[in-house]
Amino acid sequence: EDQVTQSPEALRLQEGESSSLNCSYTVSGLRGLFWYRQDPGKGPEFLFTLYSAGEEKEKERLKATLTKKESFLHITAPKPEDSATYLCAVQENTGNQFYFGTGTSLTVIP
Amino acid sequence: DAGITQSPRHKVTETGTPVTLRCHQTENHRYMYWYRQDPGHGLRLIHYSYGVKDTDKGEVSDGYSVSRSKTEDFLLTLESATSSQTSVYFCAISVEGPDTEAFFGQGTRLTVV
Repeated sequence: EDQVTQSPEALRLQEGESSSLNCSYTVSGLRGLFWYRQDPGKGPEFLFTLYSAGEEKEKERLKATLTKKESFLHITAPKPEDSATYLCAVQENTGNQFYFGTGTSLTVIP
Repeated sequence: DAGITQSPRHKVTETGTPVTLRCHQTENHRYMYWYRQDPGHGLRLIHYSYGVKDTDKGEVSDGYSVSRSKTEDFLLTLESATSSQTSVYFCAISVEGPDTEAFFGQGTRLTVV
């Protein structure tokens, strides 16, 4: 059973066209939810950690939010350099493992 | 940059041969992880370590073993490589403990023919 589901699988945006990526999770107790960015041929790069429902974090054009069942990564006025795969991961209260989603591949067209 | 180096970066090996991948960190962090990344599956944990000689299995540990004899090095061994182990392997470290974010290396692309 998938514990982390990301949608959409792929997203194409025009430069400046804002949108949101979704990460839904099914864990019994959430210790933390993590967002990463991954460029082709590279390892994931850490973006945000969210710990409790209602929490929000921002970095440049990115804003991550968290509810009890899902997280959103909002991208405001994206630029071509924001093109990447965005990964979501969760960690349960009961263990040390991170469970990753399969990611959303974002392409921003100039 | 969390000072993580993976080696080799690319490797092609034959079915049935043993293969060892190395992860080296320069920051002396306690927690280290090995993941594999495959299309349609995302990142899956193979093994992790929470200290020298302290390791535990992840969700896809069959066919893999690990060793950590020094804080800075975490080795992943494929005991007898199979084509299903063709993948990209990532090492990660957790800076403060298991409940904080992980930082990843650049990956090793392994092809088993």
